[in-house]
Amino acid sequence: QSALTQPASVSGSPGQSITISCTGTSSDVGSYNLVSWYQQHPGKAPKVMIYEGSKRPSGVSNRFSGSKSGNTASLTISGLQAEDEADYYCCSYAGSSTWVFGGGTKLTVL
Amino acid sequence: QLQLQESGPGLVKPSETLSLTCTVSGGSISSSTYYWGWIRQPPGKGLEWIASIYYSGSTYHNPSLKSRVTISVDTSKNQFSLKLSSVTAADTAVYYCARHVRSNDYFDYWGQGTLVSVSS
Repeated sequence: QSALTQPASVSGSPGQSITISCTGTSSDVGSYNLVSWYQQHPGKAPKVMIYEGSKRPSGVSNRFSGSKSGNTASLTISGLQAEDEADYYCCSYAGSSTWVFGGGTKLTVL
Repeated sequence: QLQLQESGPGLVKPSETLSLTCTVSGGSISSSTYYWGWIRQPPGKGLEWIASIYYSGSTYHNPSLKSRVTISVDTSKNQFSLKLSSVTAADTAVYYCARHVRSNDYFDYWGQGTLVSVSS
């Protein structure tokens, strides 16, 4: 069970859109529509932003959206705001009642 | 409002066993809707799922840690616990407990995390 692959960092200016990729395999991301995304500010616990690939929990801004193609899931943040600057992690069901996280992506709002 | 709180020693010696407890308040650990899990994060690194448990006692483990991990639940105290044996410096991390929504497969409530350092 290997960690999902995410870019180490992405950046964007306020108002722009960015996309963070999360690449797995046919044993995890590719086989299940069960990818979730988490936002983590420094020193804080993660907060779920997307579940089941594209669904938003109540209270999460509609600027956050998720999608999947093949073995790669993606998180898009539109209308970037300073408060979006954080680390983002994907997580996927990997079969046999196991779960795997991505390595994390640091988002910088320029 | 559901709250999860980790507790346990902040310092463990190499080769010993790390023991943590998560106390759940504001909701019942005996709900059929949820698993209860442990996730860790080494300093400056990413998240790693360790293990999860259902209130009935069914357990699920990260294969890479399974041989060293014991997860248990005490429904009478609304708590679940983690034991990690034979620890090394590589086990130094912030340990989070979290609620895992079974049907939608995501972690919706997290504890604040507790730093456990492994050092002599």
